[in-house]
Amino acid sequence: DSGVTQTPKHLITATGQRVTLRCSPRSGDLSVYWYQQSLDQGLQFLIQYYNGEERAKGNILERFSAQQFPDLHSELNLSSLELGDSALYFCASSAIGGQVTGELFFGEGSRLTVL
Amino acid sequence: AQSVAQPEDQVNVAEGNPLTVKCTYSVSGNPYLFWYVQYPNRGLQFLLKYITGDNLVKGSYGFEAEFNKSQTSFHLKKPSALVSDSALYFCAVRDRYGNNRLAFGKGNQVVVIP
Repeated sequence: DSGVTQTPKHLITATGQRVTLRCSPRSGDLSVYWYQQSLDQGLQFLIQYYNGEERAKGNILERFSAQQFPDLHSELNLSSLELGDSALYFCASSAIGGQVTGELFFGEGSRLTVL
Repeated sequence: AQSVAQPEDQVNVAEGNPLTVKCTYSVSGNPYLFWYVQYPNRGLQFLLKYITGDNLVKGSYGFEAEFNKSQTSFHLKKPSALVSDSALYFCAVRDRYGNNRLAFGKGNQVVVIP
């Protein structure tokens, strides 16, 4: 158990809808990262937050947004969903300075299916 | 931008035989290199990292990796594979200078045959 909790584990929705994925980092970790895993694109970095502020941005679509709250949990919002958004979405966290060593602790992911 | 390549989609190895999973990287400056493993329906688990120092890095579950700067490679190795090592293995790189994100390879499926 990595200590990173993601909900929901599975989500099935329709095109055009909006969903919110939630992540609770390990106790004490200030950094949260979101990754998207799909068969054709592999593991793609989406966005990173550190102590409530956006720190780095990757291949995140404009239809997607994220935030980190004062209690350090994070939410990834996906809107106007398309079939191609079907993927496994991972949250990871790291401690202060953890990013320097790259030891990210991953949750078990939220599997999104868009029909 | 930093990137890694894992040239083989799948690696098949007999139980008890040596296991090698290949990774090459591209990054500006000296790299931070990592290996992660993903078991079915699970998140990624950290195996080992190279930051600096000895080119041979030892990690969890008997795995080790060799950093080769001239060949820009960071191959993962295990002397004697177990059936339980069957999983998806990811190589990742982060450059040292100002970029905080990890770039992952596409992953290698390792199948250990009993």
